[in-house]
Amino acid sequence: QKEVEQNSGPLSVPEGAIASLNCTYSDRGSQSFFWYRQYSGKSPELIMFIYSNGDKEDGRFTAQLNKASQYVSLLIRDSQPSDSATYLCALGGTYKYIFGTGTRLKVLA
Amino acid sequence: DVKVTQSSRYLVKRTGEKVFLECVQDMDHENMFWYRQDPGLGLRLIYFSYDVKMKEKGDIPEGYSVSREKKERFSLILESASTNQTSMYLCASSPERGARDEQYFGPGTRLTVT
Repeated sequence: QKEVEQNSGPLSVPEGAIASLNCTYSDRGSQSFFWYRQYSGKSPELIMFIYSNGDKEDGRFTAQLNKASQYVSLLIRDSQPSDSATYLCALGGTYKYIFGTGTRLKVLA
Repeated sequence: DVKVTQSSRYLVKRTGEKVFLECVQDMDHENMFWYRQDPGLGLRLIYFSYDVKMKEKGDIPEGYSVSREKKERFSLILESASTNQTSMYLCASSPERGARDEQYFGPGTRLTVT
């Protein structure tokens, strides 16, 4: 079992819809969770981080963490074509970070 | 804003050459990391450092070495470049020792070894 699992996609949503990206992980001791956005040919940029169970909102983005079920999700409201990218889930271990392989999101105009 | 810079965006080297990739961060971060990213394989950790002159092997250190002589600079060295080291190389930094804080990435270096 991979340590961090994401559906590779592509996940296609119409413009204005809610995009829901999911990530499951295996290490119950993980304390910090991150979502990065990566445009083709560019480096990852941090969107959100979350440490506690529940929801954390920042503008159009909401991160949700459920440690008991070992998943973290990212909701993007009012999706725009500019949101089309690969979204990487990552978690913080003791000394290093573990990344999923990413979900490709396509927002259709 | 945190800024992580990398010495080159694109690099073409020949098999057997020694290759240096430089990374500099300007926010006094403790941790620095080198990853490579390949299609379908995601980000793979090569080496990381949580202090000056300290280095730790990541998941795929073979064929690479690193140097951290100053806190702000972390260099990745390919001792003898091979075609299977053609990849996107990403440097990152994070504020505190450990892996609790967010990482900031440089723009990446796309290395081609011919």
